[in-house]
Amino acid sequence: GAVVSQHPSWVICKSGTSVKIECRSLDFQATTMFWYRQFPKQSLMLMATSNEGSKATYEQGVEKDKFLINHASLTLSTLTVTSAHPEDSSFYICSARDQGAVTEAFFGQGTRLTVV
Amino acid sequence: GENVEQHPSTLSVQEGDSAVIKCTYSDSASNYFPWYKQELGKRPQLIIDIRSNVGEKKDQRIAVTLNKTAKHFSLHITETQPEDSAVYFCAASKQSTGTYKYIFGTGTRLKVLA
Repeated sequence: GAVVSQHPSWVICKSGTSVKIECRSLDFQATTMFWYRQFPKQSLMLMATSNEGSKATYEQGVEKDKFLINHASLTLSTLTVTSAHPEDSSFYICSARDQGAVTEAFFGQGTRLTVV
Repeated sequence: GENVEQHPSTLSVQEGDSAVIKCTYSDSASNYFPWYKQELGKRPQLIIDIRSNVGEKKDQRIAVTLNKTAKHFSLHITETQPEDSAVYFCAASKQSTGTYKYIFGTGTRLKVLA
């Protein structure tokens, strides 16, 4: 299947700093990427839908000024957690759809963010 | 918006037995239902999917059934093996709207006991 690479795999940052997470589709073009947050032993909570060349669509309750999403090219979307706090510590995972494929979305390996 | 409920949250079965995981969805416009398997520390991987114009789909030991009227769909794993142990997520999506976003169920932790 198609490959989605997420970087970094883990990051530790201090409270008040910002962290950028990258999601790349390596062998296909993705007009749409999705960002999820996963708490321990819990489901994948959709945060936002990232559309290439346009503003991201955020789910209800997700602060768009806190979680900045940029999808500048067909192979790259970034999520920036701004002014991070310990409660932002979580597992963030992206997925991407091949614009040429019908339905399947492929997931990145995820990023474990720890804010200290 | 769409809401997906998944049951059970945990499931333990003996090796060789069958496992069934059930999901319900709220939006009748949803028309694509994938199932993902997430092993510990790994990314979710698609294992099977079904579209609303099909009632059942099978791939070796895995099958999915869909009841559009009742708005529920189920994953069936037969002859379970220890390597089937993982967390399974169902999802619902409206493929016709252009956004294609997936709403996931809460997950089922399956343990296959040897």
